[in-house]
Parts: sequence; C-alpha cells; structure tokens
Amino acid sequence: NAGVTQTPKFRILKIGQSMTLQCAQDMNHNYMYWYRQDPGMGLKLIYYSVGAGITDKGEVPNGYNVSRSTTEDFPLRLELAAPSQTSVYFCASSYMSGTGAYEQYFGPGTRLTVT
Amino acid sequence: AQSVTQLDSHVSVSEGTPVLLRCNYSSSYSPSLFWYVQHPNKGLQLLLKYTSAATLVKGINGFEAEFKKSETSFHLTKPSAHMSDAAEYFCVVSGMDSSYKLIFGSGTRLLVRP
Repeated sequence: NAGVTQTPKFRILKIGQSMTLQCAQDMNHNYMYWYRQDPGMGLKLIYYSVGAGITDKGEVPNGYNVSRSTTEDFPLRLELAAPSQTSVYFCASSYMSGTGAYEQYFGPGTRLTVT
Repeated sequence: AQSVTQLDSHVSVSEGTPVLLRCNYSSSYSPSLFWYVQHPNKGLQLLLKYTSAATLVKGINGFEAEFKKSETSFHLTKPSAHMSDAAEYFCVVSGMDSSYKLIFGSGTRLLVRP
C-alpha cells in the first residue's frame, strides 16, 4: 500500500493564482481530511469528508474548496491565493478501528508559498 | 469543548536520559487520545493511542503514555532518549460531537543532545 499520497511536494504561487492540491489514499478509508500547519503551530482542520460525495467545513475553510467524487481522492482547491495561505498542507485519512477510535494516517505534505 | 494543552514548547535532554513530554486535556467525556511524531520535513506518524482500555499505553520506539483521568493528563515518556527521537511531538484528542475529528496540541519540540 502507498498509504496517503500528496502532490505536489512544493509549489510557489503568485498572489491571485489558483491551484489544486492532490490527495489520494489506497486504504479504502471513508474519512479524509485537509489540514494546514503554520510554522511552530499545530494542525488546523480546513475541510473533511465522511465519504464520497460528502464534505464539510473545518476550523479554517475560508479561501479553500474541496470535492470528493471517489473514496480514494480528496483534492483541495485554492482560489485567488493570498500570502496568508503560505503554509504546509497535510492530507489524512482514517477509519474506525475495533476500539472505536479513528486514528488518522497522514501524507507527506505539500509546502506552499504565496508571494 | 475539547482542548489539549502541551505544557512545554521545547524539551531538551541528553542522549540516554529519560524523556517526559507533558499533555493535559479538557473533555466532558472519555475521549480517545493520541501522540503523533513529526520528524523534520515529514508527515505525522502515530506513536500510540488510548481508547479507554489499559491506562498505560505502549507505542512504537519505546515510548509509552499513561492516561490519568483524575489529573486529565496523558504524558509521554521514554526511559532513554536516542538521537533519532529528536522531532516535534503532538498530543491529540478526539472530538466530542464527531470523534473522527481530531484536535491537535501546539506541539513540543524534543531536542536530544549528544
């Protein structure tokens, strides 16, 4: 299993440009998430999905959009990039284990700079 | 509302000495608790998890954590630090209304001196 994969690894955007961060998982997990991590901080939830066709906002959704047309893929769209969106973006997926806990599996991250 | 507080932003230890990373949580129910590790420029990896079974939880690489409900704590320990343990550690609690959502602490950076 490749686990959770993210592309690209690095990207530099100019202010006002748009881009899509790709995320895919091959573990058949229903739940998928997008986080951003600013320097010296923990992770903040941007959007999440509980299954194909179902998405919902997290803590910091402004400036982002998502879609979930398949179980495997969960792309994150940035429209009109702003310097405040400079961050490292992590995608994760999870399932409910036998103990009832949802441990999350993370991708390697995308480092985005907006200048 | 659920929250998690990591009491130290930085911890520095010598190689071979014990490690203690402190975490307190706030929750009105019995949550699931996790510790994740993040090595430089890498993604997050699960170290261990507590899910209302044994209060002493053993994880990978010799780490363990003890759930203490009376103190609302979930401190991470390791008897002997190794240079490869230098990383950022996150204490994480599951959400109350949606346990599939996780709430992250701000992280503790562990430095290991030779």
